[in-house]
Amino acid sequence: GQNIDQPTEMTATEGAIVQINCTYQTSGFNGLFWYQQHAGEAPTFLSYNVLDGLEEKGRFSSFLSRSKGYSYLLLKELQMKDSASYLCAVLDSNYQLIWGAGTKLIIKP
Amino acid sequence: GAVVSQHPSWVICKSGTSVKIECRSLDFQATTMFWYRQFPKQSLMLMATSNEGSKATYEQGVEKDKFLINHASLTLSTLTVTSAHPEDSSFYICSAPSMDSSYEQYFGPGTRLTVT
Repeated sequence: GQNIDQPTEMTATEGAIVQINCTYQTSGFNGLFWYQQHAGEAPTFLSYNVLDGLEEKGRFSSFLSRSKGYSYLLLKELQMKDSASYLCAVLDSNYQLIWGAGTKLIIKP
Repeated sequence: GAVVSQHPSWVICKSGTSVKIECRSLDFQATTMFWYRQFPKQSLMLMATSNEGSKATYEQGVEKDKFLINHASLTLSTLTVTSAHPEDSSFYICSAPSMDSSYEQYFGPGTRLTVT
């Protein structure tokens, strides 16, 4: 079966750095997405990785290792507004998105 | 980025009635749209793929006669929850895929359905 694992909840301090991990086992791979979702709102796109390596976009970076079935989202200089759920999703061989359960990130002052 | 709208943003209905949710792509055409359901503290669950001009493709376990999908034009897909029950109360979100090679999905703002 297809499976995506990410931690249920993480806590970090304002101004710090946090890394949210995602491991996946899917039938085929056509890329991995990270989305941010605030409570009661729809997800918003953060990143898309299809090749191995690190992609940096401002305070957010996303890393992918296809051989390990592993990705992480790195958030730097955390702000209170970064408190949200972070969803990892993999595009499988049928170009269907397989979603992880999401990681709720709590930022403390 | 592209914009997807949903209407209504929230709705309360009585058990046994039907509710229609609209999903529109405002500045692009979408031959395909996706309908998701999300229960509190859970991730997105794909319900069905809506295809313009043809029947929707439903995921396993989703009753097609209960969740009617119509994709009548390249900018509009509708989801009708028929004979709604309290257990259908959820957050319903639609999305449309990007037309470029990024495969990014543009999400609507979601519809909060409460069935009393």
